Amino acid sequence: AQSVAQPEDQVNVAEGNPLTVKCTYSVSGNPYLFWYVQYPNRGLQFLLKYITGDNLVKGSYGFEAEFNKSQTSFHLKKPSALVSDSALYFCAVRDIRYSSASKIIFGSGTRLSIRP
Amino acid sequence: NAGVTQTPKFQVLKTGQSMTLQCAQDMNHNSMYWYRQDPGMGLRLIYYSASEGTTDKGEVPNGYNVSRLNKREFSLRLESAAPSQTSVYFCASSPDVAGASYEQYFGPGTRLTVT
Repeated sequence: AQSVAQPEDQVNVAEGNPLTVKCTYSVSGNPYLFWYVQYPNRGLQFLLKYITGDNLVKGSYGFEAEFNKSQTSFHLKKPSALVSDSALYFCAVRDIRYSSASKIIFGSGTRLSIRP
Repeated sequence: NAGVTQTPKFQVLKTGQSMTLQCAQDMNHNSMYWYRQDPGMGLRLIYYSASEGTTDKGEVPNGYNVSRLNKREFSLRLESAAPSQTSVYFCASSPDVAGASYEQYFGPGTRLTVT
């Protein structure tokens, strides 16, 4: 079965420090992987995706993610955290059983808190 | 270009009441989705529609019905609300054209409380 796991419920980082939000996946075949961010009382916003190609994917707001096939991971990173990055982050994988729609499976979310 | 819009933003229902959550997108997307978000559980798919005229069950369809009225609109109906349906509901859409990137675009959500 396809699944995605976010092992940390919360990540705390000081402003200016690098941040990493972890994600591991389990899929059959090639994975389509995504990161979304949710600010308080808002819907999810797409940050970046990996479909194929370069293992380092760059996205919105200075975020990037590294695809590691051997470790089945897709960790979200940013070199220098901002207080405004504080939000709930979701990793997701496309469910390839549903070829007629982009059905995706979401992780449980990681709350990122950046302290000034 | 409003993206994905949802109405209402907030709703309180009594157990047994019915209501319809409305969703519309103006991006000419083929696929639309309804999710519920509960604390610590991420987003769970209720129903989706791969194209106009088709709907399919997701992970948690019990107690819900949907209608893909046209390409723009996808509504979610609770026929007899239960306290277990207290949640935040999100609608999303995606382009799903061959070669497209498959990311989904989300509405702002509806916060539903059933007492």
